[in-house]
Amino acid sequence: GENVEQHPSTLSVQEGDSAVIKCTYSDSASNYFPWYKQELGKGPQLIIDIRSNVGEKKDQRIAVTLNKTAKHFSLHITETQPEDSAVYFCAALRIKAAGNKLTFGGGTRVLVKP
Amino acid sequence: DAGVIQSPRHEVTEMGQEVTLRCKPISGHDYLFWYRQTMMRGLELLIYFNNNVPIDDSGMPEDRFSAKMPNASFSTLKIQPSEPRDSAVYFCASSYDRGQSEQYFGPGTRLTVT
Repeated sequence: GENVEQHPSTLSVQEGDSAVIKCTYSDSASNYFPWYKQELGKGPQLIIDIRSNVGEKKDQRIAVTLNKTAKHFSLHITETQPEDSAVYFCAALRIKAAGNKLTFGGGTRVLVKP
Repeated sequence: DAGVIQSPRHEVTEMGQEVTLRCKPISGHDYLFWYRQTMMRGLELLIYFNNNVPIDDSGMPEDRFSAKMPNASFSTLKIQPSEPRDSAVYFCASSYDRGQSEQYFGPGTRLTVT
């Protein structure tokens, strides 16, 4: 089955600096890679996703890059703000005939220091 | 829509007792997922349903766990008998497409088994 590794497990940055989280996956057939943000006491919420036919996607201060050859993808947050403090999860999915089963990485706890 | 609804939000029970967690997915969504989150194991998929039918229950830890979806608007996850190692946050999520679509997570149920 799919295996997703995520690094680092914790990340502390100064407000205004950039944050980068990296993930690798094992199944070369995976073709959908979402990123979720989980705030304290809440469920994960999708913040951005990328499909295998795209190398990069950007949404305001958030960007995701995908390298299918190397089987890794990254989340970039620029101009970090205190409200960016949360746990971030990457995930990978391979569309199967009977469903869309996501495999999650272990999560990265991001702390933005004011 | 109110989003995915889970109840109870918190549950404290004694070892050996039966625990039932409840979920109401977003109306119109035909996929429902149950996840468990712990510090040690991260986010784990337990089981998911498509059109009320269980598709993949390979993540269910053991026979003490069972899940049902009697109709499109309700699902339960039952643990009987419960054990301290079952203590975790249990999330329900739903989505509308078997393809590359967002999974919407509920707020979770924090279960503590003493």
